[in-house]
Amino acid sequence: NAGVTQTPKFRILKIGQSMTLQCTQDMNHNYMYWYRQDPGMGLKLIYYSVGAGITDKGEVPNGYNVSRSTTEDFPLRLELAAPSQTSVYFCASSSASLVEQFFGPGTRLTVL
Amino acid sequence: EDQVTQSPEALRLQEGESSSLNCSYTVSGLRGLFWYRQDPGKGPEFLFTLYSAGEEKEKERLKATLTKKESFLHITAPKPEDSATYLCAVQGDYTDKLIFGTGTRLQVFP
Repeated sequence: NAGVTQTPKFRILKIGQSMTLQCTQDMNHNYMYWYRQDPGMGLKLIYYSVGAGITDKGEVPNGYNVSRSTTEDFPLRLELAAPSQTSVYFCASSSASLVEQFFGPGTRLTVL
Repeated sequence: EDQVTQSPEALRLQEGESSSLNCSYTVSGLRGLFWYRQDPGKGPEFLFTLYSAGEEKEKERLKATLTKKESFLHITAPKPEDSATYLCAVQGDYTDKLIFGTGTRLQVFP
């Protein structure tokens, strides 16, 4: 049981490039989330999903897109990367609302 | 607007020196308050959920309490392995979203 896995672990992008951060969970959770964490700051919700085919915006969605075609996968797409998107990105999942979320190990992204 | 404030930002303790971390919140209709532990370079790890004022939960040297305005994470006789950043988060009415505080960075020295 791997829990929540994220790839890649690290990535450096040039301004204007695009990339997809991958997130997979093997717990059959309906709820999945994408957060970003800047140094010395708390986690900010980017997007979340309550089930396959359903996504919704969080606090900081601008510059990102998501899709949820399966229960297991919840990729995060960055279009036209900007330095402000330099951060650590965490994916999480939960079985329902208002219960513990299980977090992945994170992806450290730098945009230069 | 929902808001979570944690204090202190950083705390240094001698091993065995008990203390408390504070999480004050403003939310429209609190449905749940969460505590997570985060080690450097890792994702947050769940500790507790508190659902109503007066509720308390314990796990080893940690005890979380909840009032209508704030939560405390009490650490009794801490050990160096308790060193981590402790994050507080709240979920309000009619939302699936968590609002996180900026965390308290705890260092416990032998």
